[in-house]
Amino acid sequence: DAGVIQSPRHEVTEMGQEVTLRCKPISGHNSLFWYRQTMMRGLELLIYFNNNVPIDDSGMPEDRFSAKMPNASFSTLKIQPSEPRDSAVYFCASMNSGGFNEQFFGPGTRLTVL
Amino acid sequence: AQSVTQPDIHITVSEGASLELRCNYSYGATPYLFWYVQSPGQGLQLLLKYFSGDTLVQGIKGFEAEFKRSQSSFNLRKPSVHWSDAAEYFCAVVTSGGSYIPTFGRGTSLIVHP
Repeated sequence: DAGVIQSPRHEVTEMGQEVTLRCKPISGHNSLFWYRQTMMRGLELLIYFNNNVPIDDSGMPEDRFSAKMPNASFSTLKIQPSEPRDSAVYFCASMNSGGFNEQFFGPGTRLTVL
Repeated sequence: AQSVTQPDIHITVSEGASLELRCNYSYGATPYLFWYVQSPGQGLQLLLKYFSGDTLVQGIKGFEAEFKRSQSSFNLRKPSVHWSDAAEYFCAVVTSGGSYIPTFGRGTSLIVHP
């Protein structure tokens, strides 16, 4: 398996633009997580899905952030409009739920909003 | 709610020296504990995990960790550090009866001097 795949790996955009981050989880995993990592706040859980259904989005910072999981093999995190303070590394992770299993992380998307 | 504390933001060691990274948790019952490593530009990767049984667990890359209930700790150790161990290390806890979502510590950055 190729592991969790994220695209793009790097994104530079201007304030006000829409940004879409993509994630393909490991085949067979039924839970998917979106995290944001910054120096100031560390690793923050934004939202997680179980069986393609959003379970907890309390970590989503604002209404500008939205996430979808239309099927078991694809998820998106969208920021519209983007702001400089959204600059961070965004990670997607997947795992098999229902037990104390490990999460498998993607390589991350480094987002820079100018 | 559970919490995880990694008291050391940075640790500097010389190559070949021993290493101990500290992790303390706050939770009433026995948690399920993990250590992850994040190499520069990459996502987090599981080093080892503790669920039950032997309190000394072995992981990949020569790492081990010991669960000490009396101290609410799960410290990570390595007898001889290699330059390639320079990375960010995260301790995480998952509690029973919950959603199996890990709570991560803020991380400890390991710097290895030649």
